[in-house]
Amino acid sequence: DAGITQSPRHKVTETGTPVTLRCHQTENHRYMYWYRQDPGHGLRLIHYSYGVKDTDKGEVSDGYSVSRSKTEDFLLTLESATSSQTSVYFCAISESGNTEAFFGQGTRLTVV
Amino acid sequence: GEDVEQSLFLSVREGDSSVINCTYTDSSSTYLYWYKQEPGAGLQLLTYIFSNMDMKQDQRLTVLLNKKDKHLSLRIADTQTGDSAIYFCAEPPGLDTGRRALTFGSGTRLQVQP
Repeated sequence: DAGITQSPRHKVTETGTPVTLRCHQTENHRYMYWYRQDPGHGLRLIHYSYGVKDTDKGEVSDGYSVSRSKTEDFLLTLESATSSQTSVYFCAISESGNTEAFFGQGTRLTVV
Repeated sequence: GEDVEQSLFLSVREGDSSVINCTYTDSSSTYLYWYKQEPGAGLQLLTYIFSNMDMKQDQRLTVLLNKKDKHLSLRIADTQTGDSAIYFCAEPPGLDTGRRALTFGSGTRLQVQP
């Protein structure tokens, strides 16, 4: 497996609280991504980064923010969690924006 | 906008062949990918095909590409219970989209019955 670690692996949080998910890579890949996976929707891109401090929105970015202060770390923050953000979140990395991506094991987030 | 489309579910008997289909959107795609997701795990790259190829074979896996129809398929020969998983096709971003991430289909859940 590519060196990608997501933390935490599971989290239950209350509506309205902030939540931060972490993705750490040891591959020195330039691109990092956050996806969410929901039944019937496949994988949807939330945000991605193409370098340190360089980020862009994906198709479902509302309610999420990201930061990348180091090549190896990409953080996803839910400023005020809602029940609609209950999902499985995957981090992925890629050498370039149009080549294969490698995925972490996922974080299951439940907002109650 | 257009989506990468897959059927949601496929059920086969152990030992039969499975064929999972995908329709993609961008005729300029250089590579097309198949990923496998086992229960509780992340996606793993299963195989890929370069756009100048019609077919690629890798042990029990055969990938067929029809560029004219933008149709991609994954055939698994002698399907085993361990092949039960969700399979995703994915295409790179188009040259004029400004997007810099793969687009994934919704995934096909393959169920293998003993």
